[in-house]
Amino acid sequence: SQTIHQWPATLVQPVGSPLSLECTVEGTSNPNLYWYRQAAGRGLQLLFYSVGIGQISSEVPQNLSASRPQDRQFILSSKKLLLSDSGFYLCAWSLQGAGTEAFFGQGTRLTVV
Amino acid sequence: AQSVTQPDIHITVSEGASLELRCNYSYGATPYLFWYVQSPGQGLQLLLKYFSGDTLVQGIKGFEAEFKRSQSSFNLRKPSVHWSDAAEYFCAVGASLAGGGADGLTFGKGTHLIIQP
Repeated sequence: SQTIHQWPATLVQPVGSPLSLECTVEGTSNPNLYWYRQAAGRGLQLLFYSVGIGQISSEVPQNLSASRPQDRQFILSSKKLLLSDSGFYLCAWSLQGAGTEAFFGQGTRLTVV
Repeated sequence: AQSVTQPDIHITVSEGASLELRCNYSYGATPYLFWYVQSPGQGLQLLLKYFSGDTLVQGIKGFEAEFKRSQSSFNLRKPSVHWSDAAEYFCAVGASLAGGGADGLTFGKGTHLIIQP
C-alpha cells in the first residue's frame, strides 16, 4: 500500500533563517505531488505541485520554493523565512490522471519567531 | 476559477443527533467533489468522493453526501453522530491546474464540528 511521510512534525525557526521540509511517498511511481499551506480560518491553499522529477509549478507567488529531486521526494524550501510563513504545511500525492483524490501527510507545524 | 463555500464555520450537534454540513461549489465543468476530515494537528483523511454516476455517495465512518447539480451543492450527512466525529471538515472541488498534467483541489475554509454529550 502507499504511504506518505512528512517531517518534521513541528518546527520553530527564527525570522531570516532557511527552511527545508521534506516529503516522501512509498508504494507508487510517478505520482503527482503537492504542497499545501493551511492558515487558521483560511482553509488550505495550494502552493506548489509537480507532475514529474524536476517539474515544479507554483500556484501563488511567495517566499517559498519547491523541488523534486527524485520521483517520490518533494521538498519545500525557503532561503529566509518571514513571520508570515508560519502555518501548517501539508504534503499530498495523487495518481496521474483527472479527478483522482489526494492523499495527505500528517503535516508540519511551522512557527516563525 | 473554481471555488468552494462552506457557509458554516462552526456547528454544534448533540451526540446521537443527525448532521448535515453544507458545501456549495463554483466550477464551469462537471466537478470532481470530495469531503475530507481533519483531526487537530493531523493531516486530512478522505471521507468520500463524487466523480460521476449515482449522485448519492457513501463514504467511511457512516457518512454520505449528495451531489445536486441544480443547486451546485455537495452536502455531507450522517444520521447519528458520535463524539469521535468532532473534527474539522473540508469540502473540495478538483480541477485541472493551469500548468496542465495534474488536478489540484480547491478547498473550502472548513466547518468545525463540535459534539455535545
